[in-house]
Amino acid sequence: GAGVSQTPSNKVTEKGKYVELRCDPISGHTALYWYRQSLGQGPEFLIYFQGTGAADDSGLPNDRFFAVRPEGSVSTLKIQRTERGDSAMYLCASSLKPSGGPDTQYFGPGTRLTVL
Amino acid sequence: SQQGEEDPQALSIQEGENATMNCSYKTSINNLQWYRQNSGRGLVHLILIRSNEREKHSGRLRVTLDTSKKSSSLLITASRAADTASYFCATEAGGTSYGKLTFGQGTILTVHP
Repeated sequence: GAGVSQTPSNKVTEKGKYVELRCDPISGHTALYWYRQSLGQGPEFLIYFQGTGAADDSGLPNDRFFAVRPEGSVSTLKIQRTERGDSAMYLCASSLKPSGGPDTQYFGPGTRLTVL
Repeated sequence: SQQGEEDPQALSIQEGENATMNCSYKTSINNLQWYRQNSGRGLVHLILIRSNEREKHSGRLRVTLDTSKKSSSLLITASRAADTASYFCATEAGGTSYGKLTFGQGTILTVHP
């Protein structure tokens, strides 16, 4: 079946602008995750959804970052008043998240955000 | 913040040789996973080892876990040029951290044909 898809694959914006990044998880996956990866680093957790609700948003760096998943499937990561330091690869992952069990997260190809 | 460190940061070997990468972490975990990333794009899941397991195999991959030392290793046997990629370990802790993965900084593996 289809994997996790993310759009756009690349986004170039100017400092101060608003951007939205979209993630389509694997069908049937209840859990969805956003990570951010800077060049030469490992991914860093941003937020985790279980269904429609954010189960853990402890990784969001500040209140300019917000994510939604209104119907428990597609998610949108929203960044307001972008700054040059927001430039990174934004990765989305989804998983089945069996209750209490170990879980494999399946990653999308990422959106590379560049803030000029 | 990054959970742990990976060693070495970069590894260059010839095709057919074995590659070993190490990962250390700081907190107690439910499981540890290894991922591969090609050319800065999406990550591909390789293998998951639970905290009560010590060793796991999958094809040419062998993973060990030592929870007393908070460390893991990934061995790729008989490497191929196609194994060239960045490799990351990621830990999943329990409690309030349930669900989120904490990644290391990665090892860049180059396999020369």
